[in-house]
Amino acid sequence: GNSVTQMEGPVTLSEEAFLTINCTYTATGYPSLFWYVQYPGEGLQLLLKATKADDKGSNKGFEATYRKETTSFHLEKGSVQVSDSAVYFCALSDGTSGSARQLTFGSGTQLTVLP
Amino acid sequence: EAQVTQNPRYLITVTGKKLTVTCSQNMNHEYMSWYRQDPGLGLRQIYYSMNVEVTDKGDVPEGYKVSRKEKRNFPLILESPSPNQTSLYFCASSFRAGNQPQHFGDGTRLSIL
Repeated sequence: GNSVTQMEGPVTLSEEAFLTINCTYTATGYPSLFWYVQYPGEGLQLLLKATKADDKGSNKGFEATYRKETTSFHLEKGSVQVSDSAVYFCALSDGTSGSARQLTFGSGTQLTVLP
Repeated sequence: EAQVTQNPRYLITVTGKKLTVTCSQNMNHEYMSWYRQDPGLGLRQIYYSMNVEVTDKGDVPEGYKVSRKEKRNFPLILESPSPNQTSLYFCASSFRAGNQPQHFGDGTRLSIL
């Protein structure tokens, strides 16, 4: 079956530091990959996505590249801000057309950015 | 404003007392889903619905029921709640099933004593 493995947290960084959150996956077919972000007390919001190999998703200074050869989708940001403090989830969607199960999530990584 | 609305946001109740968590979306989405979020486990799918009157089990359906009588609503029912159902619950929807991002509600924190 499908699975997503994220680096364990929590991760604590100083403002303006470089961020990497590792994500690797196991899937059959050709999944789409997503990063969701969850701010305190809120639901998950889509941060970025990539639908095929070598695609790069980007949003709000965050980037992730779909690497089929290493089955990875690592999240990066060059300079984090205090407002980036949140829980980040890597997820994949089964590439089968009309797949009903949709999203398989990683366990989440808590990021805290200190001023 | 496009949104998924869950109610209640917080609930503390006792073992065995039936409860319903409502979920409503205003985006005319076909696909709706319920997840529970537990520390270290990420989100796990409970039930999903491809469209009106079409529902199916996710990964952790035991102890839960759902219904989809209208397109916009997808309530989660706990007929006889137990302490192991204490969790944070999220409802989500998307236009269709498949490789589409989902829109999430703000969550319902349930505590079963």
